[in-house]
Amino acid sequence: SSELTQDPAVSVGLGQTVRITCQGDSLRTYYASWYQQKPGQAPVLVIYGKNSRPSGIPDRFSGSSSGNTASLTITGTQAEDEADYYCNSRDSSGNHVVFGGGTKLTVL
Amino acid sequence: QVQLQESGPGPVKPSETLSLTCTVSGDSVSSGNYYWSWVRQPPGKGLEWIGYIYYSGSTNYNPSLKSRVTISVDTSKNQFSLRLTSVTAADTAVYYCARSGGSTFFSLWSWGQGTLVTVSS
Repeated sequence: SSELTQDPAVSVGLGQTVRITCQGDSLRTYYASWYQQKPGQAPVLVIYGKNSRPSGIPDRFSGSSSGNTASLTITGTQAEDEADYYCNSRDSSGNHVVFGGGTKLTVL
Repeated sequence: QVQLQESGPGPVKPSETLSLTCTVSGDSVSSGNYYWSWVRQPPGKGLEWIGYIYYSGSTNYNPSLKSRVTISVDTSKNQFSLRLTSVTAADTAVYYCARSGGSTFFSLWSWGQGTLVTVSS
C-alpha cells in the first residue's frame, strides 16, 4: 500500500483551475514531486521541490504544500493536460521512495 | 540532453530471473550528481519505485522487493542494471529506468521509454 494518498479521479472544465492533492505523513518533512503520464508514455516530471518546474513545463502548473498535504494546481487547464498525475516523495523514514496511487484528470 | 534506454531479453517464465539494462547517453552514471533508479508499472496500475544506485555502488531498495532485487552499475559502459529473482505474474509490468535525486524531495528527472516485461509460462 502507498504511503501517499491521491484521489483516483478529478475532472475540470476547459480553461478552469484544478487542484490535485497528495496526502501523507512524510510530506510534513519532504516536498512532493509531481509527474504527468499520458497513455502509452513514460511519466514526465512537472513540479519538484517547493514549487519548481523543469525546463519546458508550462507555468500553468504550480505546486504547494501545507501540513501533510501537497497540491498540484493547473491554472487555465488545457485539453492536453488530460492525463494521469502521480505524486512521489521520500517515505517517513527518509530512506525510501514512495508514489501516490495516481489521479486521473479528465478535462471536460 | 540525457537519454535513457531500457533493454532486456523479453518474456520471463515464472520462478526465473528478470534482467534489464539501462543505457545512459548525454550524462555519465559516474558523475555523482544523480541516483539511477528503476520504477515499474503493472498494466493499468500505478507507479512503484523499485530502487536506485549511486555511482559508488551504494544501493537503496523498496522494502517490499528487497529480498529479490539487485541493482548494479557498469561505469565503463555507462549502464546500470536490474535483476529481479523468483518472478511471478505479479511482476508483469512496464519497467522504467530514470535519472533521479533530491534531498528535501526525490524527483525522477528523466525517464526511459519503458519496456514491458511479461511473466508467463
